Amino acid sequence: SQQGEEDPQALSIQEGENATMNCSYKTSINNLQWYRQNSGRGLVHLILIRSNEREKHSGRLRVTLDTSKKSSSLLITASRAADTASYFCATKGNAGGTSYGKLTFGQGTILTVHP
Amino acid sequence: GAVVSQHPSWVICKSGTSVKIECRSLDFQATTMFWYRQFPKQSLMLMATSNEGSKATYEQGVEKDKFLINHASLTLSTLTVTSAHPEDSSFYICSARDPARARTEAFFGQGTRLTVV
Repeated sequence: SQQGEEDPQALSIQEGENATMNCSYKTSINNLQWYRQNSGRGLVHLILIRSNEREKHSGRLRVTLDTSKKSSSLLITASRAADTASYFCATKGNAGGTSYGKLTFGQGTILTVHP
Repeated sequence: GAVVSQHPSWVICKSGTSVKIECRSLDFQATTMFWYRQFPKQSLMLMATSNEGSKATYEQGVEKDKFLINHASLTLSTLTVTSAHPEDSSFYICSARDPARARTEAFFGQGTRLTVV
């Protein structure tokens, strides 16, 4: 079962506006990652934040992590129509061995950016 | 970045037939690959972990005899949906991690849309 919950489930904004998506998880993690999925396509890795980090930036993306609240947020600034996609958070647990690389995905946020 | 290629991108098959989906790591060796299933507008559900040279590890509730996984080489894992039924129609995605990279991001194939009629 998916441990991550994301909100909102859907977000509709105008180009130029900022988009904020939130993710919560339940178990302890090694890191949390955000992925993007265009309709009917595979996933593209956006950014990874480790459990000992609180904030990370990459271009127009800003990710925060609050391990005490078991939550993360993804902010996309100055959104563009091309940002329209589904966004998923994924957590990697602390277990090693054959579980290495195993990710647990959130439910996702469908972002629509109107030109 | 590392490339994972999945084939076919889409397939339509008749009920009762079997379908094989391939997942290849093109520029790295992946001892472990992962197979996910995704229903429309839903998240990815991990089905199984494919380990090179050994049996796959299936998640709870996933029928190993229905979803056969073979990981015979360091660059190829296959998922065979046996005796497919309409309820097996879904989007199947594989992923792999390049153990030679310091980062722990996963690389995903482009997915396979399976429609069983």
